[in-house]
Amino acid sequence: AQSVAQPEDQVNVAEGNPLTVKCTYSVSGNPYLFWYVQYPNRGLQFLLKYITGDNLVKGSYGFEAEFNKSQTSFHLKKPSALVSDSALYFCAVRDINQAGTALIFGKGTTLSVSS
Amino acid sequence: GAGVSQSPSNKVTEKGKDVELRCDPISGHTALYWYRQRLGQGLEFLIYFQGNSAPDKSGLPSDRFSAERTGESVSTLTIQRTQQEDSAVYLCASSLREGANTEAFFGQGTRLTVV
Repeated sequence: AQSVAQPEDQVNVAEGNPLTVKCTYSVSGNPYLFWYVQYPNRGLQFLLKYITGDNLVKGSYGFEAEFNKSQTSFHLKKPSALVSDSALYFCAVRDINQAGTALIFGKGTTLSVSS
Repeated sequence: GAGVSQSPSNKVTEKGKDVELRCDPISGHTALYWYRQRLGQGLEFLIYFQGNSAPDKSGLPSDRFSAERTGESVSTLTIQRTQQEDSAVYLCASSLREGANTEAFFGQGTRLTVV
């Protein structure tokens, strides 16, 4: 079965500092991986995805994520955090060989960026 | 439409009543998902429709929950004999085509409160 773990419920970082939000996954085959962001009182917005190719994926709002197959991880990163990045972040996975299955999400990590 | 539309945006119901939640996916999207997000929790997968295939109902928490979708259009999620633990935001998402690498686009959700 597919699963996603986000080991940190909350990440706190000062504005201007780099941020990392961690995600690890488990699938029987190869993964497709996604990051979503949820701002307060708003729906989920797609940030970026890893399908194949370069392990470093760039997405919206200056975010990027690095796929590491040996560590089964897909951590979200940003070189310089903004207060406006404060939100709830979700990692999601789907097995590449199971197109007929839903995206499975992690429990989410709350990012708090202080000024 | 321009995005995934869900109605109602808010629903307050008495314990024991039935409720019906509606989702209008993005036109042309063959896949449709329902998720539940309890307060302060992650996304819990409920059900997944993919084209003409049989839906994946593996996430439905009890037989009080059911969902239907007509073709590639509107979906309704029905909760019978609602309980207080059903209180949550119910999120609908759709994606463009079959294939494991497509991202899902989310609606704003329906906030259900069972009193």
